[in-house]
Amino acid sequence: GESVGLHLPTLSVQEGDNSIINCAYSNSASDYFIWYKQESGKGPQFIIDIRSNMDKRQGQRVTVLLNKTVKHLSLQIAATQPGDSAVYFCAESHSLYSSASKIIFGSGTRLSIRP
Amino acid sequence: DSGVTQTPKHLITATGQRVTLRCSPRSGDLSVYWYQQSLDQGLQFLIHYYNGEERAKGNILERFSAQQFPDLHSELNLSSLELGDSALYFCASSVKGGVNTGELFFGEGSRLTVL
Repeated sequence: GESVGLHLPTLSVQEGDNSIINCAYSNSASDYFIWYKQESGKGPQFIIDIRSNMDKRQGQRVTVLLNKTVKHLSLQIAATQPGDSAVYFCAESHSLYSSASKIIFGSGTRLSIRP
Repeated sequence: DSGVTQTPKHLITATGQRVTLRCSPRSGDLSVYWYQQSLDQGLQFLIHYYNGEERAKGNILERFSAQQFPDLHSELNLSSLELGDSALYFCASSVKGGVNTGELFFGEGSRLTVL
């Protein structure tokens, strides 16, 4: 079945360092990937997305890398700040354009920032 | 504020009971997604509605049902509740103007506790 999984359940990073959160997916038909951030007590919030015809996309302080060969994507956060503390989810979809899409979420990585 | 409103925010009920969770999507959004998040778990996709029609189903139990009304608000009905149904239920909306960007806007969730 479809599954999107994360390599590490928790990640502790020194403030100011870069964070790298990894995610593996199993559905070869997936053509769209998204990263979400969920702060405590809130709903997930969109960070960045990438389509399968790309291997890298950059946003403000964040970069998503996609390796379709090994079905892996990662989220890089530059100069990690205390406000980056949250649970990060990767998500995938393989029918986004049909309006019949499922967006399947992984299990999440908790990012904590050391002062 | 995502623009998605979910009610109630908290709900405590007993096993065997039935509850209805309500979601008002962002103004103009045609798609509504429902997700279940158990303690320290990822988001499990339940169901997706687009402009009043069911478009995709996930691992939604037969005891659960949903619908999207002509005004685009949605309800998730949970019946014959069991202890394991205790979770945070999120609604998310997308597809403003018919353009599916894949970015979901989440509400703050309805926390259901079954005793």
